[in-house]
Amino acid sequence: EVQLLESGGGLVQPGGSLRLSCAASGFTFDISAMSWVRQAPGKGLEWVSSITASGGKTYHAASVTGRFTISRDNSKQTLYLQMNSLRAEDTAVYYCAKMDQGALMGAFEFWGQGKMVTVSS
Amino acid sequence: DIQMTQSPSSLSASVGDRVTITCRASQDISNYLNWYQQKPGKAPKLLIYDASYLETGVPSRFSGSGSGTDFSFIISSLQPEDIATYYCQQYDNVPLTFGGGTKVEIK
Repeated sequence: EVQLLESGGGLVQPGGSLRLSCAASGFTFDISAMSWVRQAPGKGLEWVSSITASGGKTYHAASVTGRFTISRDNSKQTLYLQMNSLRAEDTAVYYCAKMDQGALMGAFEFWGQGKMVTVSS
Repeated sequence: DIQMTQSPSSLSASVGDRVTITCRASQDISNYLNWYQQKPGKAPKLLIYDASYLETGVPSRFSGSGSGTDFSFIISSLQPEDIATYYCQQYDNVPLTFGGGTKVEIK
C-alpha cells in the first residue's frame, strides 16, 4: 500500500523558515517523480514544486521560486520542501504527491494526508 | 501559463441525476488532462487521467472525455458518497495548473 506521510508543518513568523518532509513507502521511490501541492484555507489546489526520480531536475511555481527548494533523499525514501522567507500568503495545507510516471509531467497519482503551514506573527 | 476554467463552480443535484462538469484550457493541451475528487477535510484523489482513462478502483459511473481545449467530466448517476469538490488539472506544460473546482452537493 502506498503511503506518504508529511511532517514538519506548524506556525512560523513572516520571514521565517520551515522544512517539510514526506516519508514514502509502498512503492519504488527512486523511480518516481514527486511533487508538492498546496491548498490555502477555503481555496483551490496550487502546484508548488516537482522533482524527477533522480533529483536531477526540479521545477517550482513562480510564486515560490527563489524561496522554496524541493529535494529528495532516495536512500531514505524521503521528499523535502525547504521553505524560506515565508509570507502570509504561503499559509496552506501542503500535500506531498507521487507522480504517475517517472517524468514530471503527469497525474498526481497518490497524495499524503497534508500538513498545515501557518505564517503569522 | 495555461489557465484552466471549470464550470459550474458549484451545483446541486438529486441522487441518481447525471452530473456534467466542464473544463476549458486556455490553449491546446491535447489529452493531458486529469480529474480529481476531494472530499471535505481529505486529500484529493485521482479519478481520471489522460482525459478519459478511469483510475483503477474508481466506479464506472465516473467518466471523462474531450481533447484540445474542451473537456467534460460526468457522473452518470450521482450517489450520496460523491459529495465533494472536483478539480481538473493540465500537464501539457509547467506550471501544472488546476481548475478552480466544482463543488457538488445533493439537492
